[in-house]
Amino acid sequence: GAGVSQSPSNKVTEKGKDVELRCDPISGHTALYWYRQSLGQGLEFLIYFQGNSAPDKSGLPSDRFSAERTGGSVSTLTIQRTQQEDSAVYLCASSLGPIDTQYFGPGTRLTVL
Amino acid sequence: GENVEQHPSTLSVQEGDSAVIKCTYSDSASNYFPWYKQELGKRPQLIIDIRSNVGEKKDQRIAVTLNKTAKHFSLHITETQPEDSAVYFCAAPRIGSNYKLTFGKGTLLTVNP
Repeated sequence: GAGVSQSPSNKVTEKGKDVELRCDPISGHTALYWYRQSLGQGLEFLIYFQGNSAPDKSGLPSDRFSAERTGGSVSTLTIQRTQQEDSAVYLCASSLGPIDTQYFGPGTRLTVL
Repeated sequence: GENVEQHPSTLSVQEGDSAVIKCTYSDSASNYFPWYKQELGKRPQLIIDIRSNVGEKKDQRIAVTLNKTAKHFSLHITETQPEDSAVYFCAAPRIGSNYKLTFGKGTLLTVNP
């Protein structure tokens, strides 16, 4: 079946602009995660959605970052007033439930000039 | 747990040799330990995982061992092939969470033909 998809694959923006990154999880997966991967680094947890529960936003680095998940499926990560340090690959993952195998999307490479 | 240490950061082996990557974690309650492989420019993909009720798990040339007393787990790749070249990440649950994973910083494995 279809895997996790993300769009856009690449995004170049100017400092101060807002960006929206989209994630389509695997159908039927109730858990959805966003991670950030900086060059040569591991994966930094950002936010977690599970079903209709309130999301765990504890990994968001600042209040410029927000995310929502509509209808328990598609999720959007929004970064307001982007800064150069926001440049990274943003990865989305979904799993059937908590602590099940996480399947990653291809990521969105964000470059803030 | 909160801290996952991964070693080595880079590993170079000759084709056919074995490769071992080790991770340590801090939370003795952790019970799920996945390993992901990320090829250049690609998404991370799960290659093997282990839960705390077993000490070892094998899948063809790949094995993972878990030492709960010492709080470390290792990835073993035997008969390495050039296509094994990638960055490998270990992960463990964060303290008090059954869904948030902390990832190691990764090991760049190069298999020389």
